[in-house]
Amino acid sequence: DTAVSQTPKYLVTQMGNDKSIKCEQNLGHDTMYWYKQDSKKFLKIMFSYNNKELIINETVPNRFSPKSPDKAHLNLHINSLELGDSAVYFCASSHSGTAAGEQYFGPGTRLTVT
Amino acid sequence: QQQVKQSPQSLIVQKGGISIINCAYENTAFDYFPWYQQFPGKGPALLIAIRPDVSEKKEGRFTISFNKSAKQFSLHIMDSQPGDSATYFCAATHTGRRALTFGSGTRLQVQP
Repeated sequence: DTAVSQTPKYLVTQMGNDKSIKCEQNLGHDTMYWYKQDSKKFLKIMFSYNNKELIINETVPNRFSPKSPDKAHLNLHINSLELGDSAVYFCASSHSGTAAGEQYFGPGTRLTVT
Repeated sequence: QQQVKQSPQSLIVQKGGISIINCAYENTAFDYFPWYQQFPGKGPALLIAIRPDVSEKKEGRFTISFNKSAKQFSLHIMDSQPGDSATYFCAATHTGRRALTFGSGTRLQVQP
């Protein structure tokens, strides 16, 4: 069984379009995250949600809007896509009762903006 | 203050050798230091982690050494195998933050 799943795995779109990435976890975790991995493989936190509440917004442009309909889902909507948004986006989850760094990552969504 | 510096950027080791990756941090509030392993096309996966109250942690062929006074920690992979070829990330976090600050990654190649 997949613990953290993301859809789609690949996303190719044109500048200016709006797109969404979905994430679901079946681990019973209460905290979910979005990370961005750029072309140099650098991983950076974007957002963190705990029990559906936003707790970290790491100076991400407001074109990015996360939404957590319930504790098991965290979606990422991106408006007016730009070339610089091309990256791999990872969803992750953890349990607030365990170590903060014990996170489970999804397989990633590779976004290519042309 | 949130930075974690990692070296080397890439590493080539012969099968059976020891791979060593080093990290340094600045923020003294960090209290959890995990290492993640990432294979091409996959998400990072937790490999091993340490808290600053111990100087070493070993799990199988993987060992973390931690030097609190120097604010440095390292990953040692003993008897490196071709299947260990991956990108390794050190990271740090603290309970109040609940988000990982990653190092820049080390691409490890283990040659047969």
